[in-house]
Amino acid sequence: AQSVTQLDSQVPVFEEAPVELRCNYSSSVSVYLFWYVQYPNQGLQLLLKYLSGSTLVKGINGFEAEFNKSQTSFHLRKPSVHISDTAEYFCAVTYRYGGSQGNLIFGKGTKLSVKP
Amino acid sequence: DTEVTQTPKHLVMGMTNKKSLKCEQHMGHRAMYWYKQKAKKPPELMFVYSYEKLSINESVPSRFSPECPNSSLLNLHLHALQPEDSALYLCASSQEFTADYEQYFGPGTRLTVT
Repeated sequence: AQSVTQLDSQVPVFEEAPVELRCNYSSSVSVYLFWYVQYPNQGLQLLLKYLSGSTLVKGINGFEAEFNKSQTSFHLRKPSVHISDTAEYFCAVTYRYGGSQGNLIFGKGTKLSVKP
Repeated sequence: DTEVTQTPKHLVMGMTNKKSLKCEQHMGHRAMYWYKQKAKKPPELMFVYSYEKLSINESVPSRFSPECPNSSLLNLHLHALQPEDSALYLCASSQEFTADYEQYFGPGTRLTVT
């Protein structure tokens, strides 16, 4: 079965510092990869997705992620964070093919706390 | 318009009550989803409707009853809930129930069962 591991449950960082949120997935089949953000008391918003093509994916709010097939990783990065980036970040995968291809499988989430 | 709306925002209900959650989208999406999210946990899929037909039921107790009256609306009927059912209930939609279409999430309904 597919699983997603977010290696850090909490990441504290100072404003304007760079940040990396780590995500690894386990799969022997082709998957699509996503990062979602959830601000307090809100629903989830898609930051970016990898379907195919360039392994460096740029998303909204200055975030980017790199797909690394050999390491089965999809780490999220931002070169300079703002206070407003404080939120919960979820990595998710879905199978490319098969009956469950629309199911999003989420990691446990990483709480990013940006301090002034 | 990329908005999924959910009503109510908050709901408090007793264990003997019957209530319904409502979700609406006007993006022409043909797949709609219900998720349950407990505090500090990721969302867990409950149901998927594709073209107004129930495609997935992730072994959800029968006290939760989904309904898709038309392609824009999704309801979740609640009856005889337990306190452990207290959670944030998220609705989502996507163009199709396939991997390459992103899911758009609503803001959720915060449910408290007393």
